[in-house]
Amino acid sequence: DTEVTQTPKHLVMGMTNKKSLKCEQHMGHRAMYWYKQKAKKPPELMFVYSYEKLSINESVPSRFSPECPNSSLLNLHLHALQPEDSALYLCASSRGDKTVDQGQPQHFGDGTRLSIL
Amino acid sequence: AQSVTQLDSQVPVFEEAPVELRCNYSSSVSVYLFWYVQYPNQGLQLLLKYLSGSTLVKGINGFEAEFNKSQTSFHLRKPSVHISDTAEYFCAVFSNDYKLSFGAGTTVTVRA
Repeated sequence: DTEVTQTPKHLVMGMTNKKSLKCEQHMGHRAMYWYKQKAKKPPELMFVYSYEKLSINESVPSRFSPECPNSSLLNLHLHALQPEDSALYLCASSRGDKTVDQGQPQHFGDGTRLSIL
Repeated sequence: AQSVTQLDSQVPVFEEAPVELRCNYSSSVSVYLFWYVQYPNQGLQLLLKYLSGSTLVKGINGFEAEFNKSQTSFHLRKPSVHISDTAEYFCAVFSNDYKLSFGAGTTVTVRA
C-alpha cells in the first residue's frame, strides 16, 4: 500500500473540460511533487512545492495549474489540455527540509492515468 | 548537472536465475543514488538507496546494489528472480533543489 494517495486513478476528459487531480500524504512531509510520465519513459518533473510554496516550475504550460492548500494536499488543475498531455501523472512527497533532505527518498503515489480525447 | 545512464533497456531473464541491472552516474560532488521499481499500472516504489557508508546496500524483495566510486557505478542485483519481479526499474541520482535525475529505465521480463 502506498502512503501517497492519488485520485482519481483514471480520468478521461475532452480538450475543453476543466478537471483536477488530487494528492494526499500524511507522513508529515513538507515537499510535494508533480511528475508526468509517458509510457516506457522515466518520470519528468513538473512542479515542486516546499512548505506549501511553489519552488520549482519546470516550464510547464499554463494549462496545468498546481495548488497546495495545506501541507498534506496537492492539487493539479487541468484546463484546455491537448492530446499530447495524455500520460500518467504521479505525485510524490519527501521530508522537505533542504538542509537535510539531500538523499531523502521521494515517495510516490500510484498515479492518475489521464486520457485527453 | 548530475545524471545517470542505464546501460540496458531490456533484460529478459528466466525464473530463479540471477539478474544484474547496470547504472552509471556522473557527478563531481556527493552522490545520493536510488533504485526504484515500477510494476505495471503502479507508481514508483523505492527498492534501495545509497547515501554514504557501506558500499553494499541491501533493499527490499531480495535486491542489493553496490556503489563503486572508481567506476561511477551503482549496479542492482538479485540472485534469484521471480515472475513477480517483472517490472520497469529506474536508477536515479539526487541532483539539487529536490530534483531527482532518472535513467531511461530497464524493462525486466521474467519468464518461467
